[in-house]
Amino acid sequence: QKEVEQDPGPLSVPEGAIVSLNCTYSNSAFQYFMWYRQYSRKGPELLMYTYSSGNKEDGRFTAQVDKSSKYISLFIRDSQPSDSATYLCAMSASGGGNKLTFGTGTQLKVEL
Amino acid sequence: ETGVTQTPRHLVMGMTNKKSLKCEQHLGHNAMYWYKQSAKKPLELMFVYSLEERVENNSVPSRFSPECPNSSHLFLHLHTLQPEDSALYLCASSQVYENTGELFFGEGSRLTVL
Repeated sequence: QKEVEQDPGPLSVPEGAIVSLNCTYSNSAFQYFMWYRQYSRKGPELLMYTYSSGNKEDGRFTAQVDKSSKYISLFIRDSQPSDSATYLCAMSASGGGNKLTFGTGTQLKVEL
Repeated sequence: ETGVTQTPRHLVMGMTNKKSLKCEQHLGHNAMYWYKQSAKKPLELMFVYSLEERVENNSVPSRFSPECPNSSHLFLHLHTLQPEDSALYLCASSQVYENTGELFFGEGSRLTVL
């Protein structure tokens, strides 16, 4: 079993839709959770960061962590074509850039 | 120049060639990383340098050889590669003691091994 599972997609939605992206994990020690966004031909960039359980909102983006279910989600409201990218979840037990475990990434396309 | 820059962006090499990938960060960070990104696979951490010392080498074949001459520069020397080494190689940097674990990535070097 992989430590982090993420559906690779592709996921195609119409503009304005609410998008839900998810990851499940098996390591109960994980407590730092991140979402990175990677545009085509670019490197990943940090989008959202959450420590432990709960929700975090930033504009149209909401990150949720449910540690009891070992499940994290990223919601995108009012999706735009500019949101088309690959979204990678990442997590770690102790923080620190060298301790991250990444998902495979979900490719999202928002169509006009 | 800002952020993390990688050169070359694209590289095609034969299995007997020797080439190098270069990474430079302009963020004042003190940790640098090499990651391998293959289709449908998670990012694979290859090497970590913290304060210019290698602190991690995740069982990477010896045909990949990293070099970190200072905190701003990182190289990945390549020799006698295999076709399965074709991938996007990403360089990243961070502050060593940053608890969030935020990594700042370059745009990557796309490597094709013939």
